Amino acid sequence: DSGVTQTPKHLITATGQRVTLRCSPRSGDLSVYWYQQSLDQGLQFLIQYYNGEERAKGNILERFSAQQFPDLHSELNLSSLELGDSALYFCASSPTSGHTDTQYFGPGTRLTVL
Amino acid sequence: AQSVTQLGSHVSVSEGALVLLRCNYSSSVPPYLFWYVQYPNQGLQLLLKYTSAATLVKGINGFEAEFKKSETSFHLTKPSAHMSDAAEYFCAVTWNSGNTPLVFGKGTRLSVIA
Repeated sequence: DSGVTQTPKHLITATGQRVTLRCSPRSGDLSVYWYQQSLDQGLQFLIQYYNGEERAKGNILERFSAQQFPDLHSELNLSSLELGDSALYFCASSPTSGHTDTQYFGPGTRLTVL
Repeated sequence: AQSVTQLGSHVSVSEGALVLLRCNYSSSVPPYLFWYVQYPNQGLQLLLKYTSAATLVKGINGFEAEFKKSETSFHLTKPSAHMSDAAEYFCAVTWNSGNTPLVFGKGTRLSVIA
């Protein structure tokens, strides 16, 4: 158990819909990272928040957005969903803002878009 | 662009045999290198991490990796495979300059045959 929690575990929705994925970091960690894992693209970094502020941005679509709240939990919002958005979405956390820190991964949310 | 390549999407070994999973990186600056393991239906777990302190890095579960600058490699080894080692293994790289997110390889699925 990494100490990072993600909800829900599974999500099934239809094209065009909007969903919210939630992540609670390990106690004391200030950074939250979001990743997308799919068969064709592998594990792709989406976005990082550090202590409430966006810190780094990766291959995140404009239809996707994220935020980190004062209690440090984070939400990833996916809108206008397409079939290709079906993937595993992981959240990870680390103590500082540096990407050289060890990142601790949550169990993931499996999103299926029908 | 900096990248990481894992040779072999699937490796199969017999129980008790040597495990060798290959990872090569491309970088113009000293890298930080990671190996993560992903068991079925779980998040990623750190196996080991290279941060330039020592070229031979020992990790959990009997795994180790050696950083070879001349070969730009960071191969993962374990002397004797166990059935419980069957999983997906990811090599990842970042750099202590700027704010560069982790770049993951495509992963290598390890199967262990009894």
